Amino acid sequence: DAGITQSPRHKVTETGTPVTLRCHQTENHRYMYWYRQDPGHGLRLIHYSYGVKDTDKGEVSDGYSVSRSKTEDFLLTLESATSSQTSVYFCAISESRGAGTEAFFGQGTRLTVV
Amino acid sequence: AQSVTQLDSQVPVFEEAPVELRCNYSSSVSVYLFWYVQYPNQGLQLLLKYLSGSTLVKGINGFEAEFNKSQTSFHLRKPSVHISDTAEYFCAVSDRDNQGGKLIFGQGTELSVKP
Repeated sequence: DAGITQSPRHKVTETGTPVTLRCHQTENHRYMYWYRQDPGHGLRLIHYSYGVKDTDKGEVSDGYSVSRSKTEDFLLTLESATSSQTSVYFCAISESRGAGTEAFFGQGTRLTVV
Repeated sequence: AQSVTQLDSQVPVFEEAPVELRCNYSSSVSVYLFWYVQYPNQGLQLLLKYLSGSTLVKGINGFEAEFNKSQTSFHLRKPSVHISDTAEYFCAVSDRDNQGGKLIFGQGTELSVKP
């Protein structure tokens, strides 16, 4: 398995509170991604990073921010959690820019906003 | 814009029977195609991918998929399934201008293999 660790694995939080999810990789891959998984929607890209301090928005970025201060860590922050952000969040990494490159996924974080 | 449609949300099948999971995509540019599998409470794992060349692609665990450009399809098949194949399967596409991890996923198909 690719060395990807997501923390926490499960979290319950209240509406309006900030939440930060962490993705840590030991593969030294340059590219990192955050997806959310929802029934009927598959996985949708939230934000991605192509290097330290280089990030960009994905398909469903509203309400989320990211930071990458080190190659190995990619943080996803919900500034003020809402019930619509209840989801399973997956971090992924890839080694190169080529579109055919395999993406490796973490185990996921199940977030519940009550 | 690209999109991926998995035509069946659930596919129940008996052990040792053949199975086909259907995937259609829409894109105005050349694409790469992927199938990922997600076992319960786990992340996604790559089954196979089509980049170019032969339209029949073989993957892990006995799965294969056929790229059909005229029908914009990339159906996944296995001639004989096992209980352990019970999982959710995702078809995904990436156009050739995108970075490798920027994937557009289908809605997923739950494969349930019964004894």
